[in-house]
Amino acid sequence: KAGVTQTPRYLIKTRGQQVTLSCSPISGHRSVSWYQQTPGQGLQFLFEYFSETQRNKGNFPGRFSGRQFSNSRSEMNVSTLELGDSALYLCASRTGARNEQFFGPGTRLTVL
Amino acid sequence: AQSVAQPEDQVNVAEGNPLTVKCTYSVSGNPYLFWYVQYPNRGLQFLLKYITGDNLVKGSYGFEAEFNKSQTSFHLKKPSALVSDSALYFCASDNYGQNFVFGPGTRLSVLP
Repeated sequence: KAGVTQTPRYLIKTRGQQVTLSCSPISGHRSVSWYQQTPGQGLQFLFEYFSETQRNKGNFPGRFSGRQFSNSRSEMNVSTLELGDSALYLCASRTGARNEQFFGPGTRLTVL
Repeated sequence: AQSVAQPEDQVNVAEGNPLTVKCTYSVSGNPYLFWYVQYPNRGLQFLLKYITGDNLVKGSYGFEAEFNKSQTSFHLKKPSALVSDSALYFCASDNYGQNFVFGPGTRLSVLP
């Protein structure tokens, strides 16, 4: 089975711009979660989608949003980028609640 | 709220020696606990999980973890470390099926 894929792998943006990241889960996985990883804050949960519905949300501002499509692919959008948004954004999929998550390689976002 | 602690930022061990990476948790009820490993510029790879049953859980790449309810610990172990085990290790708890709560990570360096 193919693993979780994320595109693009690297992005460079400037402050004020917006960005969209994409995640394709493992086939059959209906849950997709997004995490932000930074050296200072570690791994922080952004949100989780299951069957096109946001099931859980972390403590991030409204500039961070996401959605999930009927084929379980998910996108994450960040509007009005700030320097502090520079991070590795990780997507993970799983079959259901309380199961292990499988992570993609991440998208490295740099905001200048 | 659930929390996971990894008391050591860095663990150094000589190749061939046993290794232990520590994790303690603060979770009410029955915890689901996980270990992940992250290599540079990569996503997280699942190593093992504890749900219930035997306190000693065996996982990938020769790793195992010991669940200790009285000490609220879930330490990762390997009998003989390899240089290729050098990476960042994360302990995580399933937050009642909502999202994962990760520890801050422990950097393992295996010295040849």
